[in-house]
Amino acid sequence: DSGVTQTPKHLITATGQRVTLRCSPRSGDLSVYWYQQSLDQGLQFLIQYYNGEERAKGNILERFSAQQFPDLHSELNLSSLELGDSALYFCASSPRTGNTGELFFGEGSRLTVL
Amino acid sequence: AQSVSQHNHHVILSEAASLELGCNYSYGGTVNLFWYVQYPGQHLQLLLKYFSGDPLVKGIKGFEAEFIKSKFSFNLRKPSVQWSDTAEYFCAVTAYNTDKLIFGTGTRLQVFP
Repeated sequence: DSGVTQTPKHLITATGQRVTLRCSPRSGDLSVYWYQQSLDQGLQFLIQYYNGEERAKGNILERFSAQQFPDLHSELNLSSLELGDSALYFCASSPRTGNTGELFFGEGSRLTVL
Repeated sequence: AQSVSQHNHHVILSEAASLELGCNYSYGGTVNLFWYVQYPGQHLQLLLKYFSGDPLVKGIKGFEAEFIKSKFSFNLRKPSVQWSDTAEYFCAVTAYNTDKLIFGTGTRLQVFP
């Protein structure tokens, strides 16, 4: 158990819908990262937050947004869903920024868009 | 932009065989390098990391990796694999003191008894 909790574990929805994925980082970790894992794209970095503020941005679509709350949990919002958004979404946390240490990953949220 | 290449997509070995998984990155500056492993049904976890110093780093479960700066490579090795090493292995890189950890596409390793 990495200490990072993601909910829901599985989610099935239809095209055009909106979903929210939730992540609780390890106790004390200030950085939260979101990654998308799909068969054809591998692990793609989406976005990182540090202590409530956006720190780094990757290949995140405009239809997607994220935020980190004062209690340090984070949510990834996916809207106007398309079939191609079906993927495993991972959250990871680390104690600090600057990536001088390892990331601790959750077990992922598997999103299926029908 | 940084990128990571893992040329072996699927590797099949028998127990006790030696393993070497290739990883090449593209970035001209100082980098931090990582290997992560994802066992079936489990979360990604760190296998080993290189920040500086001795280019040969040892990780958990008998794995090691060698950083060769001139070749932009960070290959993962294990002298004798076990069935329990069956997993997906990801090489990752980040530019020094930045926050974007960039992963390769992963190598699926299957070890047969």
